[in-house]
Amino acid sequence: GQQVMQIPQYQHVQEGEDFTTYCNSSTTLSNIQWYKQRPGGHPVFLIQLVKSGEVKKQKRLTFQFGEAKKNSSLHITATQTTDVGTYFCALNTGNQFYFGTGTSLTVIP
Amino acid sequence: DTAVSQTPKYLVTQMGNDKSIKCEQNLGHDTMYWYKQDSKKFLKIMFSYNNKELIINETVPNRFSPKSPDKAHLNLHINSLELGDSAVYFCASSQASGTSGHRYFGPGTRLTVL
Repeated sequence: GQQVMQIPQYQHVQEGEDFTTYCNSSTTLSNIQWYKQRPGGHPVFLIQLVKSGEVKKQKRLTFQFGEAKKNSSLHITATQTTDVGTYFCALNTGNQFYFGTGTSLTVIP
Repeated sequence: DTAVSQTPKYLVTQMGNDKSIKCEQNLGHDTMYWYKQDSKKFLKIMFSYNNKELIINETVPNRFSPKSPDKAHLNLHINSLELGDSAVYFCASSQASGTSGHRYFGPGTRLTVL
């Protein structure tokens, strides 16, 4: 199956710093989803973006879908220790659905 | 109430053995999946079933055989286990079939083959 590389693969931040992960596709997407997996846990759905240029917020998390519907980002403002985990994008091309490689976030208190 | 449940949570076994993992969802979803997550955390689709029928079968060794007795259950049987089968296996379900709908994941089964 296909997979898309998320950037960065790992990120260590001090608590209170911001964090961003990027997901880039070579194919135009129908929609993109984001998931969070806590250490030892299972992926949990966070949000779905459908429209070109869409921006959605969930408290300190901001999700963006690129104008060309080929890329997306997840930004966390002022990270907390509860943000620790791996963040996955999931890409829907209409014909295929596959997960990105994930970005593992470590927050140093 | 657990939405997607899997048993067992941990499975440690010897090479060459046969084992099964069970999955049940109480969300009323029509589509269920098996994903494999390796040590690098890559999530790869293995199988997808819609209303008990196989709709996705990725390049998976035929030692892996899914079975869906009804749309709420999707079990995974693995024959002749190999070291490389060690991974976390996640069952998931979604309301919509195919590429639509977000996935609800089970807690995972950590399989260790010795």
